[in-house]
Amino acid sequence: NAGVMQNPRHLVRRRGQEARLRCSPVKGHSHVYWYRQLPEEGLKFMVYLQKENIIDESGMPKERFSAEFPKEGPSILRIQQVVRGDSAAYFCASSPERNTEAFFGQGTRLTVV
Amino acid sequence: DAKTTQPNSMESNEEEPVHLPCNHSTISGTDYIHWYRQLPSQGPEYVIHGLTSNVNNRMASLAIAEDRKSSTLILHRATLRDAAVYYCILRANNNNDMRFGAGTRLTVKP
Repeated sequence: NAGVMQNPRHLVRRRGQEARLRCSPVKGHSHVYWYRQLPEEGLKFMVYLQKENIIDESGMPKERFSAEFPKEGPSILRIQQVVRGDSAAYFCASSPERNTEAFFGQGTRLTVV
Repeated sequence: DAKTTQPNSMESNEEEPVHLPCNHSTISGTDYIHWYRQLPSQGPEYVIHGLTSNVNNRMASLAIAEDRKSSTLILHRATLRDAAVYYCILRANNNNDMRFGAGTRLTVKP
């Protein structure tokens, strides 16, 4: 996990609140991926971004979820009006080019109460 | 990404080699074979990747079948710290995402 920083590591939100998950990629990496992992399940692809552009969001729910990767600053995964089913670990990965080694962060564990 | 098939789980003894298989019968000519692993309560980490030739690095070796329809991740001497879920993924040059399957849960016995 060379340098991908995710924060917060743990986030608790009440139903209906907003959750903002941040991911700072490895310096110089312009490709960012977000994944969701439910307990005891595999990683589910959500969205792939390249600086300021969403390239593939086919794995992201159409409602309440959005992602951005601005020119300056971290990538943000935003979940509006959270529900209990959003409770999961959310991982971010970055890579310098599309088909190279990707580095993952330690994840943000979201709990909706 | 083309689909990969891996056994759900495998067991190994400490200090012994481990061969983790992956079938990818629908692989295309531009698909790279990537392996990642996820230790408990951690994010995935890159292990190795290759296209056609066998590959070696500090962590493991990757043996790719001549027809590329299968590959094997080889851990030369398993340690307790190698207990993890191992994912085999195909990534095409023109494909943007990196989609994980269920992986193989490796248990290492002392």
